[in-house]
Parts: sequence; C-alpha cells; structure tokens
Amino acid sequence: GAVVSQHPSWVICKSGTSVKIECRSLDFQATTMFWYRQFPKQSLMLMATSNEGSKATYEQGVEKDKFLINHASLTLSTLTVTSAHPEDSSFYICSAPRGSGDYNEQFFGPGTRLTVL
Amino acid sequence: GQNIDQPTEMTATEGAIVQINCTYQTSGFNGLFWYQQHAGEAPTFLSYNVLDGLEEKGRFSSFLSRSKGYSYLLLKELQMKDSASYLCAVIDSNYQLIWGAGTKLIIKP
Repeated sequence: GAVVSQHPSWVICKSGTSVKIECRSLDFQATTMFWYRQFPKQSLMLMATSNEGSKATYEQGVEKDKFLINHASLTLSTLTVTSAHPEDSSFYICSAPRGSGDYNEQFFGPGTRLTVL
Repeated sequence: GQNIDQPTEMTATEGAIVQINCTYQTSGFNGLFWYQQHAGEAPTFLSYNVLDGLEEKGRFSSFLSRSKGYSYLLLKELQMKDSASYLCAVIDSNYQLIWGAGTKLIIKP
C-alpha cells in the first residue's frame, strides 16, 4: 500500500524556536497534502491544505504566519511551526490523497509529536 | 454548516459484536471513511463507502445509506486490541475530509 512518512517522529524544543516537520509520499505523487493537529482525546483538526506549486489554504483560526507550509515537490510538504510556544505542543499529522475521479483514499503519516518547553 | 455525529464512547465485551453509528450533514458527498486510531498514533484506514449498502472486510463491515446520511461500522468477534477510537469522515463536494469527533471503544474481558 501507499506510504506516507513524517520526520521527525517526535521533537522537543524550547519556546521561541522554530520546528520544521516533513511529510513525504513515498510511492506516489501528491499534488495536495493535508496537515492536521490533534490534541489529546480530541478529533483530528484540519489546519491547512498544502498545494504543490501554489499557496497553502488555511482553515479558519489557523495563523498562516505561524504555521508555514511549503509544498516543495509532488512528494514533499513541510510544516514549520515558527516561534513555538507551549500551547503549540500537539500531535501533528499529515495525509496525502491518492486516486482520481470520485475516489480518493487518504494515506496518513505516522505523526509528529511536538513538545515545546 | 457541516456536521458529523458519532457517540463519544462505547463499551463492549471481548468476543461480542458492536455497531458504531455515524450520521452526517455535509455540503455534498463523495464518500465516507472509517478510521481506527490507537492512542498516540495516526489513524489507519478501515473502510470506504461511496455507494449504499454493506461492505464487508474480515471482522469489520461498514454500511452506508446516503438518503439517510447514515453509516455504521460493525465489529465482530471483538478482541482487546480493538480498543481504540473509531473516526468517521466524509468527503464533501470540495473533496475535503470532514471528520467526526471519534468514538472511543472500550473492550472489556
């Protein structure tokens, strides 16, 4: 099956630093990738849609200047959490759809656990 | 607005059968997914329904009624490892995934 990887798996950083998370589709090309955030015991929350070759689309309430998204190629999207603060500590998950027409299956990355001290 | 409802928590016994319901109201419909998510892990794909009816896959089955905006996930022969959250998600007319809050399933011996 299709595989989506994320790097790093977990990261601990100091408040005020920036953290970059990579999402790669390993065996298929993805013009679109989705970034989610999940707080404990809550559902996934879509943060933004990453589009290859154009600007990301952010969901309401998500600060685009804080969560920088770059879709560098058809297999790589990066999420940079700038000037991270403890409230940004969360589980960040990316997904990439594969398919065409009416059927798109979402393949999820394993997630990146961010802890901001 | 768009809305997906599923029970917050369910409890079942090992070896039994459990049905997790999901109702949805979305702008358009292009398919419904069920995902399983263990604590601290990313969700894993279980099933996809786009036409009415029942899709069976081993111990798991998923049912869809588009006219009723309703789906359920049926888990048979429950095992302790099935303890997880089960997420219902609908693809809307813009091909965006709309997520339910998830149902936490607790399996007791």
